[in-house]
Amino acid sequence: DSGVTQTPKHLITATGQRVTLRCSPRSGDLSVYWYQQSLDQGLQFLIQYYNGEERAKGNILERFSAQQFPDLHSELNLSSLELGDSALYFCASSPWEGRGGYTFGSGTRLTVV
Amino acid sequence: QQPVQSPQAVILREGEDAVINCSSSKALYSVHWYRQKHGEAPIFLMILLKGGEQKGHDKISASFNEKKQQSSLYLTASQLSYSGTYFCGTANPAGYALNFGKGTSLLVTP
Repeated sequence: DSGVTQTPKHLITATGQRVTLRCSPRSGDLSVYWYQQSLDQGLQFLIQYYNGEERAKGNILERFSAQQFPDLHSELNLSSLELGDSALYFCASSPWEGRGGYTFGSGTRLTVV
Repeated sequence: QQPVQSPQAVILREGEDAVINCSSSKALYSVHWYRQKHGEAPIFLMILLKGGEQKGHDKISASFNEKKQQSSLYLTASQLSYSGTYFCGTANPAGYALNFGKGTSLLVTP
């Protein structure tokens, strides 16, 4: 157990639907990062939060949104799902920005059918 | 801004050495290295924050050449447990979120 908790582990949903992925960072970590991993693209950075505030955006589609709550857990919302959104979604956390390595959760495998 | 890793794949026999390279077209603030086994989460290996810094982790070490905007990961006397995909992640001075390379697949055989 890395200390970063992601739920659910697996999700199967139909095209056009909306899902929410949840992440609880390691205790004491203030930064949360979301990544999408597909076979041909590797780990693609989506978005970062630090202590409740959005800090950086990567290749995140407009159909996707995220937030970090006062208790520091984060949610990634994916809407109007397409087949191409099928991927492994990782959440990672780190103590501060620019310091320390990332601790990754075990990921949520999303399958859109 | 995605760093470029080379080679894409390596096959080694136990005990052999390997080098994985990571280069960026942008100035770098830090370089991270991670290993991911199939179906698992990436595991942090090391972070390099200063130009010329070298760090080690068991028989795995890395260097960071800030001027050349590149880093190399050295795996010495490889073990079966070293098999997996290695990712470098780079952060530039404008932000701290990592951009990862596409990974280098390493297979160590008996």
